Amino acid sequence: GIQVEQSPPDLILQEGANSTLRCNFSDSVNNLQWFHQNPWGQLINLFYIPSGTKQNGRLSATTVATERYSLLYISSSQTTDSGVYFCAVSRLTGANSKLTFGKGITLSVRP
Amino acid sequence: NAGVMQNPRHLVRRRGQEARLRCSPVKGHSHVYWYRQLPEEGLKFMVYLQKENIIDESGMPKERFSAEFPKEGPSILRIQQVVRGDSAAYFCASSPGQANTEAFFGQGTRLTVV
Repeated sequence: GIQVEQSPPDLILQEGANSTLRCNFSDSVNNLQWFHQNPWGQLINLFYIPSGTKQNGRLSATTVATERYSLLYISSSQTTDSGVYFCAVSRLTGANSKLTFGKGITLSVRP
Repeated sequence: NAGVMQNPRHLVRRRGQEARLRCSPVKGHSHVYWYRQLPEEGLKFMVYLQKENIIDESGMPKERFSAEFPKEGPSILRIQQVVRGDSAAYFCASSPGQANTEAFFGQGTRLTVV
């Protein structure tokens, strides 16, 4: 199956700093999503980005499908950005697009 | 415009009891996926269902676990004779189908086996 590696595993930032989170995957994919799992355990959809670049407020993401990686950028970080960030990918097999998740990046933003 | 609804949010069961987790997908979505998140781990795929059909159950434990998505009503993940190792967060996701594979997740059910 597809392997998903995220780096760095842990990240500590001062409020206001910028950061880049990376996701590498081992095979071509039809779907790539970034999620934020907040301290209450909820999974929040950030981006659906199988290729290209998208921006949403202080967050943006870029996926270079041909080179099998995606980057999530967080600018002017806030304490509410703390939590675990997951990258997940899938290859469409028939109608089956089950996701394979990376192990996540734990972000702590200090005030 | 309700998202994926899971209930209960928290479930406590004694060893040997049954756990039933429910998931109502986004209105109009016919594809449902169940994932399990063990403590300090990422999410792992369990099963993929369409209405009245199990399409892929390659991630389901061979015993005690079953899932259904009936023609009417929510999808159900059922765990019989729970053991402490079943304690985890169980997430349900739905997607519109083949043309758009973006998955939307529910808030999860946190199962604790005591």
